[in-house]
Amino acid sequence: KAGVTQTPRYLIKTRGQQVTLSCSPISGHRSVSWYQQTPGQGLQFLFEYFSETQRNKGNFPGRFSGRQFSNSRSEMNVSTLELGDSALYLCASSLVGDSPEQYFGPGTRLTVT
Amino acid sequence: DQQVKQNSPSLSVQEGRISILNCDYTNSMFDYFLWYKKYPAEGPTFLISISSIKDKNEDGRFTVFLNKSAKHLSLHIVPSQPGDSAVYFCAAAGTDKLIFGTGTRLQVFP
Repeated sequence: KAGVTQTPRYLIKTRGQQVTLSCSPISGHRSVSWYQQTPGQGLQFLFEYFSETQRNKGNFPGRFSGRQFSNSRSEMNVSTLELGDSALYLCASSLVGDSPEQYFGPGTRLTVT
Repeated sequence: DQQVKQNSPSLSVQEGRISILNCDYTNSMFDYFLWYKKYPAEGPTFLISISSIKDKNEDGRFTVFLNKSAKHLSLHIVPSQPGDSAVYFCAAAGTDKLIFGTGTRLQVFP
């Protein structure tokens, strides 16, 4: 099976712009979660989608949003970018079942200048 | 409010010796714990997990121990190899989401 894919892998944007990141989960996985990783902060949970519905949300401002399509692919959008949004954005997919293992993509490295 | 803590940001171990990575949590409702390994420029890779009904789970060179009364888990790697050099994250399963620690950078030197 192909793993989780994320596009683009690297992105440079200017303050005030918006950005859309894409994630394709492992085939058959219906849950997609997004995380932000910054140095010293670990992985901060952004949100989780299941069956096109946001099921959980972390403590991020409303500038961060997402959606999931009927094929389980997911997108994440950040509007009005700030310098502090520079981070590695990780997508993870999982089967909905007894164990909560998540499988991560390689991430999108976003740099805001 | 950091519910999952990895208090050692880095650890250096000689090849062949044991590596012990520690993780503490505060929420007694967590019922599943996982360890992930992350290399630079890659996403985290699932390593090993343990359910709260167990106190030990072993997979090859990797063993995870859970002490529920102390709200503490640890990952033992023995023998350590240079390829184990990476950042290790522990995670706890809360209500429908994983909560990650801040990671420990392990360096295994010859």
